[in-house]
Amino acid sequence: QKEVEQDPGPLSVPEGAIVSLNCTYSNSAFQYFMWYRQYSRKGPELLMYTYSSGNKEDGRFTAQVDKSSKYISLFIRDSQPSDSATYLCAMSASGGKLTFGQGTILTVHP
Amino acid sequence: DTEVTQTPKHLVMGMTNKKSLKCEQHMGHRAMYWYKQKAKKPPELMFVYSYEKLSINESVPSRFSPECPNSSLLNLHLHALQPEDSALYLCASSQEEGAREKLFFGSGTQLSVL
Repeated sequence: QKEVEQDPGPLSVPEGAIVSLNCTYSNSAFQYFMWYRQYSRKGPELLMYTYSSGNKEDGRFTAQVDKSSKYISLFIRDSQPSDSATYLCAMSASGGKLTFGQGTILTVHP
Repeated sequence: DTEVTQTPKHLVMGMTNKKSLKCEQHMGHRAMYWYKQKAKKPPELMFVYSYEKLSINESVPSRFSPECPNSSLLNLHLHALQPEDSALYLCASSQEEGAREKLFFGSGTQLSVL
């Protein structure tokens, strides 16, 4: 079993839809939870960062962490074609190596 | 300046060539990283430099040789690569090695080995 599981998709939604992206993990030592967005042939860009459990909102993006269920989510409201990218969840223990999910390919069509 | 700059953006090399990838950051970060990313896969950590010293080598073959000339620069020297080494090579930096949760990535060098 992988430490971090993420459905690779692909996920295709119409413009304006709410998108839900999810990851599960098995390592209870993970405390830092991140979402990266990666456009084709570009490096990953840090989108959201959460420490421990709870919600964090930034514009159209909301990150949720449920440590009791070992489950994290990223919600994108009012999705735009420019949101089309691969979304990678990543997590780490304190001072530890980043462990990435496989990435979910998202396409938002006009 | 919140950028990590990588050059070249694209590189094609033969198996007998020697080439170098370059990475630069001016954010004052003291940890720098090399990652390798194959298509439709997540990045895989190769090397970590902390305060210009090699901190982690993830059992990478010796045909990849990292170098950190100063706190802003990171190089990856390539020699006698194999076709399976073709990938996107990403440089990243963070404030400190212990702050890996806030990595800034460059755009990468797309490497093709013929």
